Amino acid sequence: DTGVSQNPRHKITKRGQNVTFRCDPISEHNRLYWYRQTLGQGPEFLTYFQNEAQLEKSRLLSDRFSAERPKGSFSTLEIQRTEQGDSAMYLCASSLAGGADYGYTFGSGTRLTVV
Amino acid sequence: AQSVAQPEDQVNVAEGNPLTVKCTYSVSGNPYLFWYVQYPNRGLQFLLKYITGDNLVKGSYGFEAEFNKSQTSFHLKKPSALVSDSALYFCAVRELLGGFKTIFGAGTRLFVKA
Repeated sequence: DTGVSQNPRHKITKRGQNVTFRCDPISEHNRLYWYRQTLGQGPEFLTYFQNEAQLEKSRLLSDRFSAERPKGSFSTLEIQRTEQGDSAMYLCASSLAGGADYGYTFGSGTRLTVV
Repeated sequence: AQSVAQPEDQVNVAEGNPLTVKCTYSVSGNPYLFWYVQYPNRGLQFLLKYITGDNLVKGSYGFEAEFNKSQTSFHLKKPSALVSDSALYFCAVRELLGGFKTIFGAGTRLFVKA
């Protein structure tokens, strides 16, 4: 297993276009998280899944954002009608569910630039 | 709601000296506490965690952190800093009974000078 994989690594898009990012978690991890990180800030929670169920969404996640995790494997994050304020690094992480918390394994992120 | 504060934007230390990166947290119940490190052009890496038990937690690369419940702090420490420790460090907290959302601090940049 090569860890958490995110594609694409970089995405430049024009304002108003839709974009979709993909995350492939570590195969045995059943929890998957999306975060957004802007320069000089820590990661901000967006949403998380346990298996295929989306259990929590941040109020930061406007109705232009949608995430899915069909079949509890890979996940996609779609942003519709992108705005310049959406420019950020989008991070995916996965972890094992269990009695203890195992910490997250992060992917390298997808850097989105909206021009 | 849980929150994390890292009061220092930057910490400077000479190689070989001990280092401390500060973190305080706020939760309404018992916390899970974490430290992550981010090297340039690389993803966040898990360093260590506190769940329960001994207040001094040891992690990767010789780092350790001390949990202090009365001061609601979880400072990251290392007895002897290396130039290669220079990176961005994030403290994070999850409330034990607050779901599975982990909240991250704004980060502290550590510079270790040779």
